[in-house]
Amino acid sequence: GQSLEQPSEVTAVEGAIVQINCTYQTSGFYGLSWYQQHDGGAPTFLSYNALDGLEETGRFSSFLSRSDSYGYLLLQELQMKDSASYFCAVRDRGTGFQKLVFGTGTRLLVSP
Amino acid sequence: DGGITQSPKYLFRKEGQNVTLSCEQNLNHDAMYWYRQDPGQGLRLIYYSQIVNDFQKGDIAEGYSVSREKKESFPLTVTSAQKNPTAFYLCASSTRPGQGVGYTFGSGTRLTVV
Repeated sequence: GQSLEQPSEVTAVEGAIVQINCTYQTSGFYGLSWYQQHDGGAPTFLSYNALDGLEETGRFSSFLSRSDSYGYLLLQELQMKDSASYFCAVRDRGTGFQKLVFGTGTRLLVSP
Repeated sequence: DGGITQSPKYLFRKEGQNVTLSCEQNLNHDAMYWYRQDPGQGLRLIYYSQIVNDFQKGDIAEGYSVSREKKESFPLTVTSAQKNPTAFYLCASSTRPGQGVGYTFGSGTRLTVV
C-alpha cells in the first residue's frame, strides 16, 4: 500500500518563505509530484522529483530525499494568489500500471 | 487550446438515480483517470484507463462504472449503488501510463444528492 502525510494547514504572510513537507510510504517509488488547487478549481501540476535533490521552477522549489522517504515544496516571495491547497503525490505501481496517489493536502493561507 | 472538458459543472441527483459525468480531452493522451474529492480531503482514484476499450478499478470503484469507447472520452456513471455520492469529481489525463510527470485535470463536476 501507500500513504502520504502532509500538514493540514500552513499560514504565512506576503513576501515570506514557506515550506510544505510530505512524507510517504509506498511499495515501489517512482517519483514525487506536487499539485496546486485553488478552492473549487482543478489541480495544476507544479513540480516533479524522481531523484534526490532540489528542483527549482521560479518561485517554487521542490526537494526529495528518497532515503528518508521525504520531500518538501518551498514557496518563496509569497503572494496572496498562492493561497491554495497543495498536494504531494507519488507514482505507485499497481497491477502493472503506474498511477498517482495523492496526499490529503496542505491548505496554505497567505495574509497581507 | 488543448485541455480536458468536464460537464456539467454542477449536478443534482435524486436518491436512486444514476447520473453520468462527461469527460472529454483533446490532448491526444492515452491514459485517463477519475478521482473523487471530499471536502478537505485528498483525491481518491475511482477508475483509470490506459487505452481505448480498457479500464481498471481504482481504490473506490464500488457504485461507479466507466467506459472508454473513444480515446477522447471517459464518462463516469454514478449508480444508485453508490451510497454517498455527494462529492467533487475530477477527470484527468496523461500522455502514457506511467510516463510523463504531470496529469492534466479538468475543472471538475460537483455532484449533490438531493
